[in-house]
Amino acid sequence: QVQLVESGGGVVQPGRSLRLSCATSAFTFSNYAMHWVRQAPGKGLEWVAVISYDGSNKYYADSVKGRFTISRDNSKNTLFLQMSSLRTADTAVYYCARDKYDVLTGSMGYWGQGTLVTVSS
Amino acid sequence: DIQMTQSPSALSASVGDRVTITCQASRGISNYLNWYQQKAGKAPKLLIYDASNLETGVPLRFSGSGSGTNFTFIISSLQPEDIATYYCQQYDDFPPLSFGGGTKVEIK
Repeated sequence: QVQLVESGGGVVQPGRSLRLSCATSAFTFSNYAMHWVRQAPGKGLEWVAVISYDGSNKYYADSVKGRFTISRDNSKNTLFLQMSSLRTADTAVYYCARDKYDVLTGSMGYWGQGTLVTVSS
Repeated sequence: DIQMTQSPSALSASVGDRVTITCQASRGISNYLNWYQQKAGKAPKLLIYDASNLETGVPLRFSGSGSGTNFTFIISSLQPEDIATYYCQQYDDFPPLSFGGGTKVEIK
């Protein structure tokens, strides 16, 4: 079955950088748009970014624009989120998610288990 | 940006009760609306897409309806395993994609 496994979370100081990865399997990764969604402790879901199937289109939430970069390696079936200039407000569980269809719809059909990023001095 | 207003934020009901959650979009989104279930400590799970279509394997006690700006999610007979937080999400117009604030469902 479709699997998404995030890694790379941890504790980081404000202003520093961190890169998250999402390893995928059991589907043709290069056919699907992929998303990052985050959830601050005790809070709701916040969409972060999306990348098209071939990496040619990328969109971001205003809260991370200019600081975060989404990318993908279709040869390794892996999605990335490079996070820079981190703030305490970026503390959250970060989920990767696959678009439900093989066109970019924004409907997230499959989710990973999440990786926790804690920004603290 | 489209804002999604979900209500109530929490509810408590008895096993077997009918549970209703509503979601209102700040402007029309046709039927481009999902409902997700998130159990404690787990990732969200897609239950309903395109406002009213049940995802494969989801029990028939879950249903969704609506179009435009007003949407409804129903659990026809609440079961203990339905304890979770439920979120609506619009995908008519993005960026950004947007979620409702969530509804925490508990057993009375």
